[in-house]
Amino acid sequence: DAGVTQSPTHLIKTRGQQVTLRCSPKSGHDTVSWYQQALGQGPQFIFQYYEEEERQRGNFPDRFSGHQFPNYSSELNVNALLLGDSALYLCASSLVGTGGWTGELFFGEGSRLTVL
Amino acid sequence: AQSVTQLDSQVPVFEEAPVELRCNYSSSVSVYLFWYVQYPNQGLQLLLKYLSGSTLVESINGFEAEFNKSQTSFHLRKPSVHISDTAEYFCAVSDRGSNYKLTFGKGTLLTVNP
Repeated sequence: DAGVTQSPTHLIKTRGQQVTLRCSPKSGHDTVSWYQQALGQGPQFIFQYYEEEERQRGNFPDRFSGHQFPNYSSELNVNALLLGDSALYLCASSLVGTGGWTGELFFGEGSRLTVL
Repeated sequence: AQSVTQLDSQVPVFEEAPVELRCNYSSSVSVYLFWYVQYPNQGLQLLLKYLSGSTLVESINGFEAEFNKSQTSFHLRKPSVHISDTAEYFCAVSDRGSNYKLTFGKGTLLTVNP
């Protein structure tokens, strides 16, 4: 059973460019959340997708956008990259289900973005 | 708004010694609490969680944490650590009306020395 997979694992961009990161959730999961983890910091919540809609959003500018596809996979897009966007971007999946949240998020290994 | 404070950024200990990693949170509502572990160059793995019920929760590898509502704390403990426990540990909180959205602390690097 594959866990959460993310691509690419590493990438380098320059200021002003745009980037797209991809995430496939754990099999059977329907909710995808994205987190940004700057060096030496804890992850910060960017947004969450369920049923192809953005359900919750953290304190991130509109340069950060996302999408969820019918197969539950997701993309994170960042426009007009800044040096401060350099971070590890983590995708996490979970299952809403009928029994309510079980309290677990499954994280991928992340995409490390370096902005020069 | 919620926040999580991990009081120690680094905790060095010797193998087989006990350890406590401290976590305090602030929230105006009822919460769920979590500890995640991150090994080098890996994603986060759930170590243990408190959702409801017994305030003492345990993991399969010997860690335990106790939810203390009056002190708004969720400290992580292990009576005897191993070299393999060396990792970054993150405490996180989610309010009960905001499922799946976690607020993390800055992390505590636990280094177990031989």
